[in-house]
Amino acid sequence: TQLLEQSPQFLSIQEGENLTVYCNSSSVFSSLQWYRQEPGEGPVLLVTVVTGGEVKKLKRLTFQFGDARKDSSLHITAAQPGDTGLYLCAGAMEYGNKLVFGAGTILRVKS
Amino acid sequence: DAGITQSPRHKVTETGTPVTLRCHQTENHRYMYWYRQDPGHGLRLIHYSYGVKDTDKGEVSDGYSVSRSKTEDFLLTLESATSSQTSVYFCATRWGAGKGNQPQHFGDGTRLSIL
Repeated sequence: TQLLEQSPQFLSIQEGENLTVYCNSSSVFSSLQWYRQEPGEGPVLLVTVVTGGEVKKLKRLTFQFGDARKDSSLHITAAQPGDTGLYLCAGAMEYGNKLVFGAGTILRVKS
Repeated sequence: DAGITQSPRHKVTETGTPVTLRCHQTENHRYMYWYRQDPGHGLRLIHYSYGVKDTDKGEVSDGYSVSRSKTEDFLLTLESATSSQTSVYFCATRWGAGKGNQPQHFGDGTRLSIL
């Protein structure tokens, strides 16, 4: 059983559509990080959210950390083919020394 | 980025043989991590190091050992490889000073196939 449940596993949408990816847990995290990974490469950090209720925007991407610091969401507005990739959420544990990852969401944006 | 080099990038070997993967970093980060990535599981922590000769187990450590004799190098060893250890292995580093919300920086992975 994953400590951090990520959904959906797969998402195939048309260019211009909006989407939301969710990460949920029964555990409290000191922070929640979102990574994006492309084939043949390692994950690359998109954002870190630290405070309960925090919202961060990165161009068309909006990240939210739940009030109780147990869940997070990633919303993409007007998706583009360049957004295609694997999106991973990761909760920080043990004072941030360890991360627990969700299973990932494979996003495909068709033009 | 953290200048992380993983070697080899690809390896095919047979069941029962020993395998060592190397992670080399150039940024003097204190923490280093080994993960494996399998479909449907995301990244799972195998072992990590919080300093030279200081290591600890992760959630999937059985069948793996690690060593860190220098700050810049973190080795992952499969003493006797099994087919269930076929996976993509990622090394990551983290600076490690101060509060713990620093990101991890990842290498580009090693694709290991055990036949």
